[in-house]
Amino acid sequence: QSALTQPRSVSGSPGQSVTISCTGTSSDVGGYNYVSWYQQHPGKAPKLMIYDVSKRPSGVPDRFSGSKSGNTASLTISGLQAEDEADYYCCSYAGSNWVFGGGTKLTVL
Amino acid sequence: QVTLKESGPALVKPTQTLTLTCTFSGFSLSTSGMRVSWIRQPPGKALEWLARINRDDDKFYSTSLKTRLTISKDTSKNQVVLTMTNMDSVDTATYYCARIRTTGMDFDYWGQGTLVTVSS
Repeated sequence: QSALTQPRSVSGSPGQSVTISCTGTSSDVGGYNYVSWYQQHPGKAPKLMIYDVSKRPSGVPDRFSGSKSGNTASLTISGLQAEDEADYYCCSYAGSNWVFGGGTKLTVL
Repeated sequence: QVTLKESGPALVKPTQTLTLTCTFSGFSLSTSGMRVSWIRQPPGKALEWLARINRDDDKFYSTSLKTRLTISKDTSKNQVVLTMTNMDSVDTATYYCARIRTTGMDFDYWGQGTLVTVSS
C-alpha cells in the first residue's frame, strides 16, 4: 500500500486560507468516505482534526474543514492563526488497513 | 477520560524482538466496536499504520510488515501488546498506540508515543 500524496509544505499569512490536498487511489481515498486529518505539533502526538471526510470532532474550530472529490481529499484551514503552524497528515481506511499521507508542513508567515 | 500510554524498551539491538505495551483507561476493549491500533513515525518522517485489534480478537496487519508483527490484548488489564521481530535500524521510530473511534475508521485518541532506537 503506497502512501497518500500530500504537498511537502504550504504557507499562508494570518487570516488567510490554505488548502492541503491528499491524493490516493480508488482502493483508499476514492473507495471509502473514511478520510481523516491529523495535526501534529513538534514533539507531540497527532491530534484528530477531521474524520469521515468532513466531520469535526468536538473542540476543533470550524475554521478547519474537509472535502473529497474522487481520489483526492482536501483540508482547508481558513482564518489562519499562528497556532495552526504544524504538520498535517491525511489518512484513509483502505479495507482492513489504513494508509497515511507523507505529511504537509504548514508555515504561518 | 480516555488515555493511552505506551511502554517498552527505549533501545533494542538489531535482530532482537521488540515488545511494546499500550495501557489504556476510559474505555474497554470488551465494548462492541472498540478497536486499538499501533502506528509508528520514524524521526522526521511520516506516520505509518502497523496493526489493529478489536474486541473479538480480529487482527489486521500492515501488508509490508505482517510477517514480523503480532498484536494481542489482555482485556482484563486494559492492555494491547505489539511485538515486532528481527528489528533493524530502519525500525527506529516513535511508536504510538491509538484508539479507533467506535463508529468510524479514524484514530480519536492517541498515546504520547515511545521512542525506540535500534542500535548495537
